[in-house]
Order: sequence, then C-alpha cells, then structure tokens
Amino acid sequence: DAKTTQPNSMESNEEEPVHLPCNHSTISGTDYIHWYRQLPSQGPEYVIHGLTSNVNNRMASLAIAEDRKSSTLILHRATLRDAAVYYCILRDVASGNTPLVFGKGTRLSVIA
Amino acid sequence: SAVISQKPSRDICQRGTSLTIQCQVDSQVTMMFWYRQQPGQSLTLIATANQGSEATYESGFVIDKFPISRPNLTFSTLTVSNMSPEDSSIYLCSVEEGTSDHNEQFFGPGTRLTVL
Repeated sequence: DAKTTQPNSMESNEEEPVHLPCNHSTISGTDYIHWYRQLPSQGPEYVIHGLTSNVNNRMASLAIAEDRKSSTLILHRATLRDAAVYYCILRDVASGNTPLVFGKGTRLSVIA
Repeated sequence: SAVISQKPSRDICQRGTSLTIQCQVDSQVTMMFWYRQQPGQSLTLIATANQGSEATYESGFVIDKFPISRPNLTFSTLTVSNMSPEDSSIYLCSVEEGTSDHNEQFFGPGTRLTVL
C-alpha cells in the first residue's frame, strides 16, 4: 500500500470545524482513501472512504484533491467525543482483501 | 456490522509464560486479522488467520512466538508464547466485511497485556 503523511497532532475547540490533512503523493489509480479513528481505549473504527469524488456521511466529509495526491477529513462540529487518533490509509482494491496498514495518524485534541 | 468480543480484556503475566487470547465474532467472516499496538504506537499487523489452514504472518512475526488457530468462521485464538516485557501491548482482533466496492474492517476492544 502507498504511504500517507499526516501531522502528528492537531487541536480544535469544541463545536468548531476541524480539517485533518493527509498527503499521499504516490497514490495509484486503484487506491481508495480510507479514514479510521481510534478513540481512547478502543479499537479503530471506520469513518469514511472515497476514490475521486468528495464524500459525505453522518460522521464526516472527505475532500479529495483533483490530482488525488492529498485529502482532507472534515469534522463539521468537533465534540469532545471526537478526540481520537485519526488514520488516513490507502487501500488498493486491485489487491483484493488485504488488511489495513496503519501509519502513525493524527492525534486530535478537542478543547471544551 | 460485525460485533467482536475478546477474552481476556486484560492480563498481567510473568515472563516466560504464555497467554492465549480469544476472539469471537457474531457472524461468519472470511477474513480475520490480529494486530499488536505497543504503548503509544500505532497498530502493527501480526498475521491473517485463515480458516482451515495456517495463518499468514507478516515480516517480523513467527508462528513459534504467535501461534494462531482458526477452527471456524467465527472464532480465532492468538497465543503469545514465552513472553517477555517487550510483549507488553494491546492485541486486537479484526474482521472484514463488506460488498465488492467497500470492505470495512471492524475491530475488537483489544486485550491489554502486561508482562512483568
């Protein structure tokens, strides 16, 4: 799987939007961009994924650059419960059911 | 979505002993994985547990140290053998479910192991 680069940590005020960036300059045409997050003392959980177009779901939005070399996870209104480590992961669908490979992620702190 | 339970949730063990961690899923799944998360670190894949055949181990992990069983499509065990303090980690079971265009991985709550 191609490599991703994320900031080590970010901080946000509660109820404000958060933009979590991810660089993936070596992304291939069949790589999907996945985001997972790990809340304290829990296993990771799926947040969102996309290929080329921007995506929205109940948890977040995913904005994908036109050249696909970067993406941004957007939390529209951060809550204290959103404090977690966020992982941006590329997954090549052409490789079949390969397991997720985690990088270091971004630790998001939310201030009340 | 798959619901995964792990036993034990935590344990404190003496060096040189072994611990077997159980992973139970509430539905039949093809793909099941074991990860390790060392203190303050990200998750590292140990192996893919294959039903009916030997597990597939990642580089740096060997069957003698981390034997895995997968007797059916809902259950797997990971044994941490001849433990040392360096094995102190959280061990997580994960399964994959989904459709052809989106496979999602679900994770268990983890087993927190401390080796003295």
